[in-house]
Amino acid sequence: ELKVEQNPLFLSMQEGKNYTIYCNYSTTSDRLYWYRQDPGKSLESLFVLLSNGAVKQEGRLMASLDTKARLSTLHITAAVHDLSATYFCAVAYAGTASKLTFGTGTRLQVTL
Amino acid sequence: DTEVTQTPKHLVMGMTNKKSLKCEQHMGHRAMYWYKQKAKKPPELMFVYSYEKLSINESVPSRFSPECPNSSLLNLHLHALQPEDSALYLCASSGKARDKNSPLHFGNGTRLTVT
Repeated sequence: ELKVEQNPLFLSMQEGKNYTIYCNYSTTSDRLYWYRQDPGKSLESLFVLLSNGAVKQEGRLMASLDTKARLSTLHITAAVHDLSATYFCAVAYAGTASKLTFGTGTRLQVTL
Repeated sequence: DTEVTQTPKHLVMGMTNKKSLKCEQHMGHRAMYWYKQKAKKPPELMFVYSYEKLSINESVPSRFSPECPNSSLLNLHLHALQPEDSALYLCASSGKARDKNSPLHFGNGTRLTVT
């Protein structure tokens, strides 16, 4: 069974600070996704990571993938209040196109 | 605005009722999904339809019955639910032809309360 764990589960940080969210998964995978969810809202796709060493950046967020370590990171640079949300990583079983397992989620709160 | 449309947004039903959740997408996606999300938890996969055929059923109780009338529509029929089935039900779609790595596009969900 594929297990996906994130840490921390909750992160409170001040505006302007940097921090990293970690996503560990238990079995071989060839695709990893990051999503954002605002309270009471749906999930928004942020990044798709397809290969070892992949790095994607959008604004203040940067995601990376290390398939050998079965680890992905989501780095936040100079946080702003608008980044407050819950962030999920999601991992696909290798060879199974449709089945995503979501991580436990990290609730990020950026304070002024 | 999301490109996956779910109705209704909210639903309250008794344990003896029969109701349906509806989902529609017009992005040409070939796979459609139902996820269930409890408060402060990650989404959990329920069903996957690929090219209008059920390809994954995650051992979901039979009181949940999915249906895919065509490539744009996905329904979830509900019957004799339990209070613990109260949750946010999310529909998603993905995968134009030759694009198996595309992310899932989620609808805004139906918040279901079973009384």
